[in-house]
Amino acid sequence: KQEVTQIPAALSVPEGENLVLNCSFTDSAIYNLQWFRQDPGKGLTSLLLIQSSQREQTSGRLNASLDKSSGRSTLYIAASQPGDSATYLCAVQAGTALIFGKGTTLSVSS
Amino acid sequence: DGGITQSPKYLFRKEGQNVTLSCEQNLNHDAMYWYRQDPGQGLRLIYYSQIVNDFQKGDIAEGYSVSREKKESFPLTVTSAQKNPTAFYLCASTGVTAKNIQYFGAGTRLSVL
Repeated sequence: KQEVTQIPAALSVPEGENLVLNCSFTDSAIYNLQWFRQDPGKGLTSLLLIQSSQREQTSGRLNASLDKSSGRSTLYIAASQPGDSATYLCAVQAGTALIFGKGTTLSVSS
Repeated sequence: DGGITQSPKYLFRKEGQNVTLSCEQNLNHDAMYWYRQDPGQGLRLIYYSQIVNDFQKGDIAEGYSVSREKKESFPLTVTSAQKNPTAFYLCASTGVTAKNIQYFGAGTRLSVL
């Protein structure tokens, strides 16, 4: 059964730092991997989707990489800002639905 | 504006009562999903539907029921058989035009009185 793990569970950084969030999954047979952002008490917003044939995707200050063979993905956030404070969720799609990790809660202080 | 609308935002259930959570989308997506989120946990799949009049159980379907009579609507009923219904419920949809990206509603927070 596919399991998704995110490390660390929480992270606090000062504004301006570059940071990396980690996601690992147990079964490499996936269609794609997605990173989402969730603000407290809100729904999820899609940040990046990486197809299984791709190695990375970039959007603004965000860069997500995928190493399917090792079952790992990273989300790199450059020059962090207080507005980046949120929970970041990683999810893999192996069938019809997504399987989620528990998330990394990021706090960026000014 | 295109999007997914969940209502109500907050819902309270009395013991033994069935309650229904609404999810409507105007994105013309074929597939719709219901997830449950507990504090400090990832999302877990309750039910999903890929086409009208068809739906499948997810990992935690016991105590829940759904219908898909219209493409735009996918209501979730939390029945009295669900003994621990307190959670944040999220609805999502996707389709060919979305390129497999799931779009989420703002969620419904269900509590037990």
